[in-house]
Order: sequence, then C-alpha cells, then structure tokens
Amino acid sequence: GAGVSQSPRYKVAKRGQDVALRCDPISGHVSLFWYQQALGQGPEFLTYFQNEAQLDKSGLPSDRFFAERPEGSVSTLKIQRTQQEDSAVYLCASSLEIGPLTTLYFGEGSWLTVV
Amino acid sequence: GNSVTQMEGPVTLSEEAFLTINCTYTATGYPSLFWYVQYPGEGLQLLLKATKADDKGSNKGFEATYRKETTSFHLEKGSVQVSDSAVYFCALSKNGGSQGNLIFGKGTKLSVKP
Repeated sequence: GAGVSQSPRYKVAKRGQDVALRCDPISGHVSLFWYQQALGQGPEFLTYFQNEAQLDKSGLPSDRFFAERPEGSVSTLKIQRTQQEDSAVYLCASSLEIGPLTTLYFGEGSWLTVV
Repeated sequence: GNSVTQMEGPVTLSEEAFLTINCTYTATGYPSLFWYVQYPGEGLQLLLKATKADDKGSNKGFEATYRKETTSFHLEKGSVQVSDSAVYFCALSKNGGSQGNLIFGKGTKLSVKP
C-alpha cells in the first residue's frame, strides 16, 4: 500500500486478555517506531526498530509490552494481561532515512480499549 | 529532561484570521524541531521542520522559526482556511536517542469556521 497500515483499527479487550497489534510499514522503510497516545495527550515513544533489530525499547512501560519485527518489515506490538491503563491509541510510524532529521510517516493507529 | 510545551486548545478562528500556536521546549544540546498535523480521520503527518537556530520551516502557508534564545518554535499562518482544521503537535528529536525518536507536545486542536 501507499501508506503505513495498522490493524485492527479498533480493539476492545477484557482486562487480563492478551492483544496483538500489527503494523505494515511503507515498503522499503528501514526504521519503524511504536508510539502510545493516551486521550488528550501527545504520542509517547515506546520502541524503535532498524530493520529487524530492536535498537531502543526504553519507552515500553512494563514487561507486559513486547514488540517484534522478525523480517524487517511487518511489526507486531503485543500487550499481555492488559490493564485499563493500557487503553490508548497505538501509533506505528516508519521512515526511509536513518537520523534525527528523518520524516516519520504515521499510520492511523490502533485504538485499544480495555474494559 | 527533554520536553515540549504547547498552548492548550481548542483554538477557534474565523476563516482568514491570523494563527499562532505557541510551542516552547526544554532540551540538552541542539534538537531538531518539528510540527506535525493530524487531520480528522487521518494519521499524523509532518507539516514542517527546522534543524538549527534561526532556521525557518515552512509549508502550506505555515511557518515556524527555531528560536534558541527563547527556546521556542511557534507555528504561524497569516490566513487560515476551513481545511486547516486539525490537531497540531509540536515535537523535538531526542538527542542521543533512537534516530528519529520524537518527543511530542500534547497537541492543539484548531477549528476554523467559515
């Protein structure tokens, strides 16, 4: 596709359930980022991949959060034993370049509601 | 630590009015600064950026100047249109962090009335 694609767009999970969120970056983009955006807040960094290597996971809020990008393209963010505070929009972004001036291309996000 | 503070919204303007959305930052070193925009139903997209002091980023009639002395990157547009209605996010690149890792402000919602 032409842009970053995320699925599912909307997910309602019961507290304690595991969820998996998928990101299809723009073809050929080396860098991939996950952000979490709570209601009324700006996006907050979770983790970063360069190809298949996870180079920074400093933003993951707990060990219940896990991300992978095994073949350097599609990425999955997994949240185990979901809690209500996990309710947020999860944004995926990719970029062609590597560097602090890189332009990030964002998907529309996966809206997670934990009930 | 690094942070971004932007004016709270919502901001409501009439078409052709002048727009300013304030953004100030706290950072070590020399970050790059960005404005991203989120139109209704769409993902965030880059509006403009500046990489060093006194640089001016511009796009679609919007401008922002990197002011190191006031640690600011205010967004301006001389004459807004209804189609500019969106949420605007100021952001900076995190020194020493992941390449392209951004720290965002909370966003400012702009509504432009005909």
